[in-house]
Amino acid sequence: QMQLVESGGGVVQPGRSLRLSCEASGFSFSTYGMQWIRQAPGKGLEWVAIITFGGSDQFYADSVKGRFTVSRDNPKNTLYLHMNSLRAEDTAVYYCAKDSVAGAPFYQYYGVDVWGQGTTVIVSS
Amino acid sequence: IVLTQTPLSLSVTPGQPAAISCKSSQSLQDRAAKTYLYWYLQKPGQSPQLLLQEVSNRFAGVPERFSGSGSGTDFTLRISRVEAEDVGIYYCMQSIQLPLTFGGGTKVEIK
Repeated sequence: QMQLVESGGGVVQPGRSLRLSCEASGFSFSTYGMQWIRQAPGKGLEWVAIITFGGSDQFYADSVKGRFTVSRDNPKNTLYLHMNSLRAEDTAVYYCAKDSVAGAPFYQYYGVDVWGQGTTVIVSS
Repeated sequence: IVLTQTPLSLSVTPGQPAAISCKSSQSLQDRAAKTYLYWYLQKPGQSPQLLLQEVSNRFAGVPERFSGSGSGTDFTLRISRVEAEDVGIYYCMQSIQLPLTFGGGTKVEIK
């Protein structure tokens, strides 16, 4: 079955960096755009970033633009989120999720249909 | 695009219906008449799960008691007969334009 497994979360000091990974299985990873979505403690869902199926286009929420970078390694079926200059407000559970439609072009966006279990990032001194 | 969900919370007797509204600040329908509105349920302690896509299409395995309706800027998720396993927080989401956004969530509890 389709599965996404995140890793790389942890406790990090403000201003430092962290890289999250998301390993995909059970579907053709290279044909789907992928997204990162986060949830601060006790809060709702916040979209973070999206990357097209080929990896050539990425888009970000204003709250992370210039600090976070989403990338993917299709042969390894792995999605990444590189987070720099972390702030306390980045504390959240980070979910990777798969686009619900395959092969979406860079100007077309879809909801997600499969979510990982999430990895927790805590930014604190 | 701002999505406003009402009510914030709902307490429902098992077997009774429930409805959640999601209102968008802009139309979610494109020129091809496709509407980019999704519904998710986050059960306690779990990741969110997709219920409905493009307003009313149930995702694989989603029970028929879940249905969606609406167009343009006004949408509704309905549960025909609430069951104990339906407790959690329901979110609507739009993907017609960036940034993708979620509604604030509606918490459903069982009486």
